[in-house]
Amino acid sequence: QQQVKQSPQSLIVQKGGISIINCAYENTAFDYFPWYQQFPGKGPALLIAIRPDVSEKKEGRFTISFNKSAKQFSLHIMDSQPGDSATYFCAASNGALGGADGLTFGKGTHLIIQP
Amino acid sequence: DSGVTQTPKHLITATGQRVTLRCSPRSGDLSVYWYQQSLDQGLQFLIQYYNGEERAKGNILERFSAQQFPDLHSELNLSSLELGDSALYFCASSPRGAHYGYTFGSGTRLTVV
Repeated sequence: QQQVKQSPQSLIVQKGGISIINCAYENTAFDYFPWYQQFPGKGPALLIAIRPDVSEKKEGRFTISFNKSAKQFSLHIMDSQPGDSATYFCAASNGALGGADGLTFGKGTHLIIQP
Repeated sequence: DSGVTQTPKHLITATGQRVTLRCSPRSGDLSVYWYQQSLDQGLQFLIQYYNGEERAKGNILERFSAQQFPDLHSELNLSSLELGDSALYFCASSPRGAHYGYTFGSGTRLTVV
């Protein structure tokens, strides 16, 4: 199975709060797990990515937590700001092997940060 | 500006017609990927070209085809268009052939009427 399941579908967080988006996958051959941010009228932009050999990666206010045994990974946005309001997509690939699936994306989470 | 250029930004055409979407990858990137984004299906991988050759094929319909030219720009051809083909079509590029580190363009919004 190539599916990546993402939740929640939408999320409202107060300014300064922590936004958490979760993803689960089935294919144990996946070796690359990026998160993309998309603003209306724009293409998805790579935010942060992780490989399965580490359990956490942090870049500024954005952190990926990865649980290989549970086949889950999540995005945490600390001190969420109104400018973070966007749609977020998790994705996965067996990038080194390439293959017919490209990047498999979750369905997206529409995040709204309230001032 | 991501460095990946897609034209046109918007396209409105009738059912049964054929259109061509164009993509110029970031300078130095050898791989080009095409994705379709729709409300019900989300982002779906269509096809990848690497240095002029087809590398991987995803959920691409037989009515759709693509190619990558010697200057590395790519074109996605959509023919016998149906209402259900209305979607955002994104091109992405990466330096090599593996599915890492994509950079997406801003997309072409296709409306079939």
